[in-house]
Amino acid sequence: KAGVTQTPRYLIKTRGQQVTLSCSPISGHRSVSWYQQTPGQGLQFLFEYFSETQRNKGNFPGRFSGRQFSNSRSEMNVSTLELGDSALYLCASSRTSYEQYFGPGTRLTVT
Amino acid sequence: TQLLEQSPQFLSIQEGENLTVYCNSSSVFSSLQWYRQEPGEGPVLLVTVVTGGEVKKLKRLTFQFGDARKDSSLHITAAQPGDTGLYLCAGVVYRDHNAGNMLTFGGGTRLMVKP
Repeated sequence: KAGVTQTPRYLIKTRGQQVTLSCSPISGHRSVSWYQQTPGQGLQFLFEYFSETQRNKGNFPGRFSGRQFSNSRSEMNVSTLELGDSALYLCASSRTSYEQYFGPGTRLTVT
Repeated sequence: TQLLEQSPQFLSIQEGENLTVYCNSSSVFSSLQWYRQEPGEGPVLLVTVVTGGEVKKLKRLTFQFGDARKDSSLHITAAQPGDTGLYLCAGVVYRDHNAGNMLTFGGGTRLMVKP
């Protein structure tokens, strides 16, 4: 069974730009969660989508948004990038949002 | 807000030594999970403990859930270089089917096992 895939794996952007990250969950998993991981703050929950609806949301500004498609694939978007948005963005899929299976992440660097 | 504190944050030991990592909270969790993350990869689930006082073993790794379901520990016996990585605990709060589960991650323990 294929695991969670994320594209791109690495990304360099400039302050003020926007970025879209993609996540393909494990087949059959309807829950997709996004996390931001930084050395200082650790792993922080961004949001969760289930059956194309945002079900839970973490404490991040509105510049961070996401969506889920009918095939459960998900995208997250960050607008007006700031230096502090540099991080590893992880996507995790689950049948029930209980035991989560993580992808390898997208390393975003904002210069 | 439910917080999970992990200790120690960093641990560097020699191959063959034993170690214990702690995960503490003032909140009660439905269950607690432990993940291991290696450089360039996402976290991988090691175990889920559900019942207060539960002990689970995974080869040389022993996981325990506190009686009050507020804390957990991970003990590694005879550590090997392959155990090197970032260990994360995650507290799970079960809600109803429509709301899903909420996971709160600890800050992580970075373990290095030197040969």
